[in-house]
Parts: sequence; C-alpha cells; structure tokens
Amino acid sequence: AQSVTQLDSQVPVFEEAPVELRCNYSSSVSVYLFWYVQYPNQGLQLLLKYLSGSTLVKGINGFEAEFNKSQTSFHLRKPSVHISDTAEYFCAVSTSSGFQKLVFGTGTRLLVSP
Amino acid sequence: GAVVSQHPSRVICKSGTSVKIECRSLDFQATTMFWYRQFPKQSLMLMATSNEGSKATYEQGVEKDKFLINHASLTLSTLTVTSAHPEDSSFYICSAVLDSWSSYEQYFGPGTRLTVT
Repeated sequence: AQSVTQLDSQVPVFEEAPVELRCNYSSSVSVYLFWYVQYPNQGLQLLLKYLSGSTLVKGINGFEAEFNKSQTSFHLRKPSVHISDTAEYFCAVSTSSGFQKLVFGTGTRLLVSP
Repeated sequence: GAVVSQHPSRVICKSGTSVKIECRSLDFQATTMFWYRQFPKQSLMLMATSNEGSKATYEQGVEKDKFLINHASLTLSTLTVTSAHPEDSSFYICSAVLDSWSSYEQYFGPGTRLTVT
C-alpha cells in the first residue's frame, strides 16, 4: 500500500518570499506523484504531476517540484509567493498498477501574509 | 476543457432523509469517476470508484447501502446518501478520469457541502 506524508500542517510565509512544501511517500512499486491546490470551499486543482522523465517538474502559477527517488520525496517549491497563493496544498500518489487511485497526504496550509 | 461539475453545491437536509449529489463531466467522457469525502481541515478520503455500466467499488469501511452510487452514463455519476445522519455532514468531492491512453489525471468537481440537521 502507498502512503503520503506531509509533515507541515501549516506554513506561514511573507509575500515575495520563497516557499517549500514537503511531501514524502512510501511505496513498494513505481509511483506517479501529484500536487493539488484547494481554495476554500472548492474542489482540487492540479498544480503539477510527475509521471516519468525529468525529475524537475514545472506546473502552473510558478510552482515546481522535484522527484527524488532515493529520498522518496516530491517537495513543492515556489521562488516568490503571492497573497493569492494562500490555500491548502495536497500531495498525492498513485501507482502504475492502479494509476487512477489517488492516495492523498493530509495537506499543508500555506498562509501568505503581506 | 476537462471540466467537472457537481450539483448541488450546498444542501441542508433533515436527519433520516436521503440526498442525491450529481457529478458530471461536461466536455469529456469518463468511464471512471471517484467519490471522496473531506472532513474539516482534513484530507480527501476515497469512498468509492464508480465505473460506467457496472457496480461501484467501495473502500473499506464505507457502507455501500448507505452511499449509493450510480454511473449510468459516461458523463454522469450520482451519489445518494440514504437515511442521512448528522455524522454524514461533510464535503463530498467527485473526480472524473479523462479517458486517454496517455492521461493519468483526475479532474475534480467543486464539491458539495452536505449539512444534516
């Protein structure tokens, strides 16, 4: 079975500062990795995904993430955050055998203040 | 493209009544849809996998007789919460998988806030 750990439940940061949201996963098989963003009372929007190939993945809104197989991590980064980036961020994993089934982490709330 | 809608966005019902939530893929066909529930400040928990033309597959601990899922067409799946109780109050989110050999992406609906009084 797969699992996802997001150690930081909340990350406060000032506007225009860089941010990293951490995600670690556990799986005995190859995985596909995703980051989603959720704004209040809304569904999830895909930020980026890693399926194969380059380990550095660029997504929407200036976010990027790096897949590190040896450390089983998929941390999300942004060099300069905006107030509008305040939201809940979820890391998720699926496996090549059951690629459609997503297992989500518990989420990290990013709080951007002026 | 790849838009998923849910109806209603909010619903309040009395304990003991049933509530139906619709999930539609507006501009693509989806053989597979998923239903999640999300408690406040928590992650999404997969409830069931809905497959068009066949019975849904429920996750462990989810009562299939309480959460009825019907996937009658390639663009519509419904979740009916039967005999709702206050503990069923939650945010229910559906997702649809774009049927493509190269796509491993789920598109999520905006969610339905269910409040049972």
